[in-house]
Amino acid sequence: GAVVSQHPSWVICKSGTSVKIECRSLDFQATTMFWYRQFPKQSLMLMATSNEGSKATYEQGVEKDKFLINHASLTLSTLTVTSAHPEDSSFYICSASGQGTSGYNEQFFGPGTRLTVL
Amino acid sequence: AQSVTQLGSHVSVSEGALVLLRCNYSSSVPPYLFWYVQYPNQGLQLLLKYTTGATLVKGINGFEAEFKKSETSFHLTKPSAHMSDAAEYFCAVSDRGANSKLTFGKGITLSVRP
Repeated sequence: GAVVSQHPSWVICKSGTSVKIECRSLDFQATTMFWYRQFPKQSLMLMATSNEGSKATYEQGVEKDKFLINHASLTLSTLTVTSAHPEDSSFYICSASGQGTSGYNEQFFGPGTRLTVL
Repeated sequence: AQSVTQLGSHVSVSEGALVLLRCNYSSSVPPYLFWYVQYPNQGLQLLLKYTTGATLVKGINGFEAEFKKSETSFHLTKPSAHMSDAAEYFCAVSDRGANSKLTFGKGITLSVRP
């Protein structure tokens, strides 16, 4: 159980276009989803936290108008990179957490999406 | 603010040798602690976590870690390395809330020599 999927797994787009990445919890209801960005050979940097039905909370330095996050249901969150530029090229990873039984809600990670902007 | 320190960027061991990956954290209160593994172009897989109770926690694939509050450490060990253990390992910390965000260390690459 606790499977999280991402689609697409990789995407190449032209500079100036927008790209949407989906994150789905397949077998549990995700009350909270997190979006991370990972540059090559570097750690994961949290971009934003989203709760179902609420606006996302963005980390300092993350442009909310560029990285649009929607958490419309308990199983789906989307990240849209608007007007993408080459510097947005990165590995984007989502995670989802639901209602645990021990007071702690484990984050389950998706497989990631490789975005390349030409 | 919390932080995680993973010293070094690369550890190389021989197959069958002990694996020791170090992690130190900084937190104003005892946090939750995690080790994740990442294989190339994949997401993260939880190896083990410490939330409460026994300070020596056992995880998947023969890994274990010990929470030492006095040393603010959570080092990861495995008695005998396997070739399949070659991957990137991340230590992470979070507050003790239900949906607290994770703060990751910079990661360390483990190589296993035949």
